[in-house]
Amino acid sequence: AQSVTQLDSQVPVFEEAPVELRCNYSSSVSVYLFWYVQYPNQGLQLLLKYLSGSTLVESINGFEAEFNKSQTSFHLRKPSVHISDTAEYFCAVISNTGFQKLVFGTGTRLLVSP
Amino acid sequence: EAGVTQFPSHSVIEKGQTVTLRCDPISGHDNLYWYRRVMGKEIKFLLHFVKESKQDESGMPNNRFLAERTGGTYSTLKVQPAELEDSGVYFCASRATGTSVPNEQFFGPGTRLTVL
Repeated sequence: AQSVTQLDSQVPVFEEAPVELRCNYSSSVSVYLFWYVQYPNQGLQLLLKYLSGSTLVESINGFEAEFNKSQTSFHLRKPSVHISDTAEYFCAVISNTGFQKLVFGTGTRLLVSP
Repeated sequence: EAGVTQFPSHSVIEKGQTVTLRCDPISGHDNLYWYRRVMGKEIKFLLHFVKESKQDESGMPNNRFLAERTGGTYSTLKVQPAELEDSGVYFCASRATGTSVPNEQFFGPGTRLTVL
């Protein structure tokens, strides 16, 4: 079985500051890793994913995440946040066996203020 | 292309009543998933359809929950009778048939269920 831990339930930050949202996972098999984002009053959207290859993956809006196998982590970072990044961010994994059900963390609410 | 839609967006019912949630996946997506988020906790998998067949229903909490996907298009999730602990946001997601490497699950906006 897999599990995902997001220790920070809420991260307040000022606009243009850097941010890191932490994600650690546990699994006895290899996994694929994802970050989803939920903006207010919207559904979940895929932000970025790690399937294989380069351990650093990037999104189109400036977020990046690095897969660290030894530390079983997939932290999400952005060097300079905008007000519009205010949302809830979910880390998730899928095992490389089975039928691709996502296992989510509890989410981190990013609050960007001016 | 229309995304995943869910109906209703909100539902408030009393304990013991019945509620039916509906999900319309992206056209042509054979895979349909139901997830649930109880307040403050993680989003948890409920079940997975491939076309009209239940591929995995290991996450269904108990026999008060019944999911169907007749004809392999839209899906319904019925809760009967509803209990207080069923309150939460129910998400539906769909995915095209892919390879062994995961392809994207597209999520609907969710149905917020409140049981009083």
